[in-house]
Amino acid sequence: GAVVSQHPSRVICKSGTSVKIECRSLDFQATTMFWYRQFPKQSLMLMATSNEGSKATYEQGVEKDKFLINHASLTLSTLTVTSAHPEDSSFYICSARDDGPYQETQYFGPGTRLLVL
Amino acid sequence: KQEVTQIPAALSVPEGENLVLNCSFTDSAIYNLQWFRQDPGKGLTSLLLIQSSQREQTSGRLNASLDKSSGRSTLYIAASQPGDSATYLCAGTTTSGTYKYIFGTGTRLKVLA
Repeated sequence: GAVVSQHPSRVICKSGTSVKIECRSLDFQATTMFWYRQFPKQSLMLMATSNEGSKATYEQGVEKDKFLINHASLTLSTLTVTSAHPEDSSFYICSARDDGPYQETQYFGPGTRLLVL
Repeated sequence: KQEVTQIPAALSVPEGENLVLNCSFTDSAIYNLQWFRQDPGKGLTSLLLIQSSQREQTSGRLNASLDKSSGRSTLYIAASQPGDSATYLCAGTTTSGTYKYIFGTGTRLKVLA
């Protein structure tokens, strides 16, 4: 099946630094990718929709200037957490929607665990 | 605003039992529905996808159904095993065509040997 990778899988950083997380579709093109966040013992919450070649669409309550999204190619979206603080510590998961004939199918990445000290 | 509730929130059963996990959407306008399992500290594993033209999917001991008129889905697990222990999440996309998944609150399952 289609594979989506995320890098890094785990990152620890100091408060105030910025962290970039990559999401790649490995064997298909994805005009649209999605970024989710999961706090401990909670479900996934959609943060934003990443669109190749255009601005991302953010969900209500998500600060676009804090969570910068760049979707520069059909296989790569990046999420940058700027000036990270301990409350940003979370599990970040991306998904990618296949541009091919099976457009109804989304594939999820393995997640990136962020710990901000 | 679409909200997704999963019942029960937690479940502990002896090995071999047949299980039913429930998922309910406040807005029944669901396009696709997908069931996932998540092991502690891990990402999502897709179990079953019910696409817009479908009402049911089966894979091995798992069967998922979707009633679009009521906005409810069930995941049936036959002959449960300790390896089935995980959190099960349902997620649906709306008919708006944005393909954004709204996730349920999850069911934590523990199957005892």
